[in-house]
Amino acid sequence: KQEVTQIPAALSVPEGENLVLNCSFTDSAIYNLQWFRQDPGKGLTSLLLIQSSQREQTSGRLNASLDKSSGRSTLYIAASQPGDSATYLCAVPSGTYKYIFGTGTRLKVLA
Amino acid sequence: NAGVTQTPKFRVLKTGQSMTLLCAQDMNHEYMYWYRQDPGMGLRLIHYSVGEGTTAKGEVPDGYNVSRLKKQNFLLGLESAAPSQTSVYFCASSLGAAQTGELFFGEGSRLTVL
Repeated sequence: KQEVTQIPAALSVPEGENLVLNCSFTDSAIYNLQWFRQDPGKGLTSLLLIQSSQREQTSGRLNASLDKSSGRSTLYIAASQPGDSATYLCAVPSGTYKYIFGTGTRLKVLA
Repeated sequence: NAGVTQTPKFRVLKTGQSMTLLCAQDMNHEYMYWYRQDPGMGLRLIHYSVGEGTTAKGEVPDGYNVSRLKKQNFLLGLESAAPSQTSVYFCASSLGAAQTGELFFGEGSRLTVL
């Protein structure tokens, strides 16, 4: 049974710091992995989707890497800003319609 | 490009009342989903659809019904609301099966049942 874990559950960093969020999954036979951000009271916004054949994906200050063999993905945020404060979730598909979501990391970037 | 749109965004019901949440997507996606999000419980799948005219049960379907009469719309109904259905409801869609594509979410509908 696939389990997805995100550690730490919460993180506070000063503005400008580079940071790494972690996502671990127990079953390495994944097709893809998706990173989302969720602002308080809002929906999930898709940030990056990494296919299983890819090692990393980049979008602006965000870089997501995928290491299937070790069951890990990391989301790297460069030069963090207060506007990056949100909860970040990762998700992997489990079958044709089911997604397993991680527990989330609540990020606070201090000005 | 609106993406996934949910209406209404907020609703307060009394126990026993009925209501329908509407989800509309303009991306020509085949798959659509309804989730609920509760503190400490994460996202739980209520129902999903793999195409126009199809629906299927997810993890927590009891007390809810759905319909997908048009490809772009996925409706979630509560026939007799209960306080346990107080939650934030999210609609999502994807072009194809979970193994193939990106999942997009709506902004959510916050429902309170008194």
